[in-house]
Amino acid sequence: EAGVAQSPRYKIIEKRQSVAFWCNPISGHATLYWYQQILGQGPKLLIQFQNNGVVDDSQLPKDRFSAERLKGVDSTLKIQPAKLEDSAVYLCASTIHWQSLGEQYFGPGTRLTVT
Amino acid sequence: AQRVTQPEKLLSVFKGAPVELKCNYSYSGSPELFWYVQYSRQRLQLLLRHISRESIKGFTADLNKGETSFHLKKPFAQEEDSAMYYCALIGSRLTFGEGTQLTVNP
Repeated sequence: EAGVAQSPRYKIIEKRQSVAFWCNPISGHATLYWYQQILGQGPKLLIQFQNNGVVDDSQLPKDRFSAERLKGVDSTLKIQPAKLEDSAVYLCASTIHWQSLGEQYFGPGTRLTVT
Repeated sequence: AQRVTQPEKLLSVFKGAPVELKCNYSYSGSPELFWYVQYSRQRLQLLLRHISRESIKGFTADLNKGETSFHLKKPFAQEEDSAMYYCALIGSRLTFGEGTQLTVNP
């Protein structure tokens, strides 16, 4: 089966600019996750979707970050405006359902550099 | 609150030597723990989960609730084991430790 797809793979922007990342989960996976991984740290959950509904966005900085999964398939994560501290790898993951929380399939990630 | 601590950022061993990657956790409920691995230029992937009590690629991990630990062990390390290893805990969400970079030298 095809894995989780993400684009772009790399992005360089200046602070205060906007950026968007796209993720397409494994076909049939109902649950989708976005993580932020800062250099030297483990992935940190930003938001979890179950189909097109938000399950957990408690760690999402909502003043600048937003995410959507309108049709319950692919998803977009946006940062507006970006700050220097947003430089990180943004990982998307999916599971067949929320009960498989620990068995996540990860995409290759998008490496964001904010200058 | 849930927390995962991996005290070693870097671990270097020689091929054929035993290896142990340490993981300690903090969680008030009944924990469910995992090890994830990321090989160079590959995606983060699940290595093993404690409830399965399985051995994957020669690695095992035992949950010790008394010591709140879930250390990953392999009796004889191989060069292909060189990778970044993350311990992870399910509480309200999947929480990762900061990772240990394992290097197995020839």
